[in-house]
Parts: sequence; structure tokens; C-alpha cells
Amino acid sequence: GQQLNQSPQSMFIQEGEDVSMNCTSSSIFNTWLWYKQDPGEGPVLLIALYKAGELTSNGRLTAQFGITRKDSFLNISASIPSDVGIYFCAGISNFGNEKLTFGTGTRLTIIP
Amino acid sequence: DGGITQSPKYLFRKEGQNVTLSCEQNLNHDAMYWYRQDPGQGLRLIYYSQIVNDFQKGDIAEGYSVSREKKESFPLTVTSAQKNPTAFYLCASSIGEAGAQFFGPGTRLTVL
Repeated sequence: GQQLNQSPQSMFIQEGEDVSMNCTSSSIFNTWLWYKQDPGEGPVLLIALYKAGELTSNGRLTAQFGITRKDSFLNISASIPSDVGIYFCAGISNFGNEKLTFGTGTRLTIIP
Repeated sequence: DGGITQSPKYLFRKEGQNVTLSCEQNLNHDAMYWYRQDPGQGLRLIYYSQIVNDFQKGDIAEGYSVSREKKESFPLTVTSAQKNPTAFYLCASSIGEAGAQFFGPGTRLTVL
């Protein structure tokens, strides 16, 4: 199955720094989702985007649905220790295959 | 308190034995999914069901079987035909097949 290209694969930042990650695809998606997974737990939905160009915030998190519908971005401002984890993007297309396609994940580590 | 439950959290089995993982949801979602996650990897779709008494193979269905006799339940059986069953298994559900998926806490299966 297809996977989305997510970058960077890993990030090492200091507490208080801002974080940016993105997800790109060769295909168009109609819905973009961002999840966070803590070690040994299931992914938790952070933000859902349904319209090209849409910018949505959830606390310190902001995500955007790219204008081309082939990419999405997630920003975390003023990182805190509990932001540590793996962030996955996921996309849904409406072209005969409406299953979720997941990104490869970005592992965020905060250096004390 | 709505959500998705998976049991058990940890499961150990001897090689050659079949084992069934439980997934229950009380969100009144029509669609349910099973994913497999290996260390440091993304999620791979095993099986999904859009409606009761119907299910479809995902990308890595070989060695697995499912049933969907009730809307709330979607158990996964890992059979002895699965060559490398040790992994973290995640169940998810969504309102419809193109909706955002919500995940359970996962079951870590270790085959000895």
C-alpha cells in the first residue's frame, strides 16, 4: 500500500522551541489528519482538515491543508516535554479507495 | 464514556497457536479496522469492515482472519500461518469509511 512521505523522520529540539513537520504525496487527498502516538499506546487524533488551504489550530498545534491538496503541515509552538512522541499524518482520497493512507511518522525528542 | 477498547494489553503465545485479539467500540461507528505496527514503523492495514457481516482484506491480510457479527465488535485472529506475528496490533473505527479514524490502546502480541 502507498505511504505518504513525512519529514523529517526525527527531530531533536530543546524545550520551548517551535516544531515544524510536513507530509507530501504524489496523489490528491480530500482529507488530511494528524495523529500523535505515545510509546505503547494507540494514535490520538490531533487535527482534521477537510478543505484545501484550511488552517486549523488545537492549542499550541496548528495544521494546514496544502493548496495543491498534495501536502499538509503541522506546527507545534513552544514545545513542552509531553509533546514527545511520534506524529503521523494521514490522508483520505475519494478516488475509489477511501481507506486512510498513513505517513511514515516523525519522532519528536525533547532534549533537557 | 465512549471509546474503543482492546484486550488484552499484552499477549504471549507459543509458536503455532492461533490467538484472537478483541476490539470493542461503543461509538456507534459503522467502519472498523485492524492495523499492524512493527518497531519504528508506520501502520499497515490488515483487514477492515464497513458494515456488519462484511469485511475486506487490507494490505497484509495473509495469516489473519476477522469476523464482524456485531456492529460493536471486530475480533482479529492471528493464525499459525502468519510467519512473523510478533507486533503491536491496533484497532480503529470511523463513522463511515471515509471518516477520521479513532484508535484503541493497542495489543502487543509476542510469540515465543
